[in-house]
Amino acid sequence: DTEVTQTPKHLVMGMTNKKSLKCEQHMGHRAMYWYKQKAKKPPELMFVYSYEKLSINESVPSRFSPECPNSSLLNLHLHALQPEDSALYLCASSRDWLGNTGELFFGEGSRLTVL
Amino acid sequence: AQKVTQAQTEISVVEKEDVTLDCVYETRDTTYYLFWYKQPPSGELVFLIRRNSFDEQNEISGRYSWNFQKSTSSFNFTITASQVVDSAVYFCALEGKETSGSRLTFGEGTQLTVNP
Repeated sequence: DTEVTQTPKHLVMGMTNKKSLKCEQHMGHRAMYWYKQKAKKPPELMFVYSYEKLSINESVPSRFSPECPNSSLLNLHLHALQPEDSALYLCASSRDWLGNTGELFFGEGSRLTVL
Repeated sequence: AQKVTQAQTEISVVEKEDVTLDCVYETRDTTYYLFWYKQPPSGELVFLIRRNSFDEQNEISGRYSWNFQKSTSSFNFTITASQVVDSAVYFCALEGKETSGSRLTFGEGTQLTVNP
């Protein structure tokens, strides 16, 4: 079983809805990540939090809003999404960020469909 | 810029066959790390191995083995005596310490199907 838990596993939303994806890890990791993965494509980095501070935003549209309430939790707030935002959203964590050469632990993902 | 190429989009084998997944990378960094991840149908990426650029020793873990050749910028992955449970998408990835800011650059992935 993965040690990174993501909820919900599936989400269907309309373009005017507001929803959130949640991610939780209890491994004491201090870096957490959001990736977006389209079908038959590799994951694309969206955001990185290090010690609960946003370290990297890969020019993600503002309709995606990340939040890191504490070192174990990572949220992704969704608002006014487009159908092309439909994808698998993967959360990951690692022991640290700067100088990180360790492995990323991934969750099973939240499969998002925007109608 | 960093780049990872997995030329094999899909591979199909019969159970118990050996199979090699190719990975070729490009980087200007002198210090870098190479990874393999497995993504089964359930969705999560499972870490398989990390290898740093200064360690060219091949590695074996059970039925899995990895061949790192710096001279050809390749980091190939071999599954011996494949099993149906090995069916998944396999991603090779690169982290260049000097230029990537510790970002992983993934290859496009290889879909491996092992048939009974």
